[in-house]
Amino acid sequence: GQNIDQPTEMTATEGAIVQINCTYQTSGFNGLFWYQQHAGEAPTFLSYNVLDGLEEKGRFSSFLSRSKGYSYLLLKELQMKDSASYLCAVRDQRGSTLGRLYFGRGTQLTVWP
Amino acid sequence: DGGITQSPKYLFRKEGQNVTLSCEQNLNHDAMYWYRQDPGQGLRLIYYSQIVNDFQKGDIAEGYSVSREKKESFPLTVTSAQKNPTAFYLCASSRGLAGGPVEQFFGPGTRLTVL
Repeated sequence: GQNIDQPTEMTATEGAIVQINCTYQTSGFNGLFWYQQHAGEAPTFLSYNVLDGLEEKGRFSSFLSRSKGYSYLLLKELQMKDSASYLCAVRDQRGSTLGRLYFGRGTQLTVWP
Repeated sequence: DGGITQSPKYLFRKEGQNVTLSCEQNLNHDAMYWYRQDPGQGLRLIYYSQIVNDFQKGDIAEGYSVSREKKESFPLTVTSAQKNPTAFYLCASSRGLAGGPVEQFFGPGTRLTVL
């Protein structure tokens, strides 16, 4: 299976930058996803990385290092609405389970005014 | 509009009763998934289906059953054998299993409370 680790909670102030880390140990890797989930709602897709490097999408960026089993999600110019749980998920590449995602426990981000 | 629907949003059942949660998608996705989420926990996979008439157990399948008779539908039955069924249940779907940014799209979820 997969072992995915991310911090449980983080806090930051409006307008700041925050980096949410995710480390993983995997027996097969076929991409890493970040999702945002507001309380009581469904997760929504934020980003996808499969090659090493940085993917930028507006205020959000995601980085991947496959050799280190490490990713981070960078949120810039934080807004109150960014208060949510951020889920790191790794996709399996093994034949019988190809395509399924393994999720971390999520990082609850609180943005203060 | 294309999307995934789950109903109802809130569901209450008595202990010992089976209950079926619905999940429908009109995205023409081949793969569908059921997850369970408990407070402070990530998403745990119950069952998933890569194609019609086929499904596989996830990490916590005990006490649950599914069917995939139609591409659009993937209902989940929570049986009385599930020891702790109160949770938030999320259904998801995705285009397929190949590589690339094939993200999963999630339904709004059903919060099941067993009294």
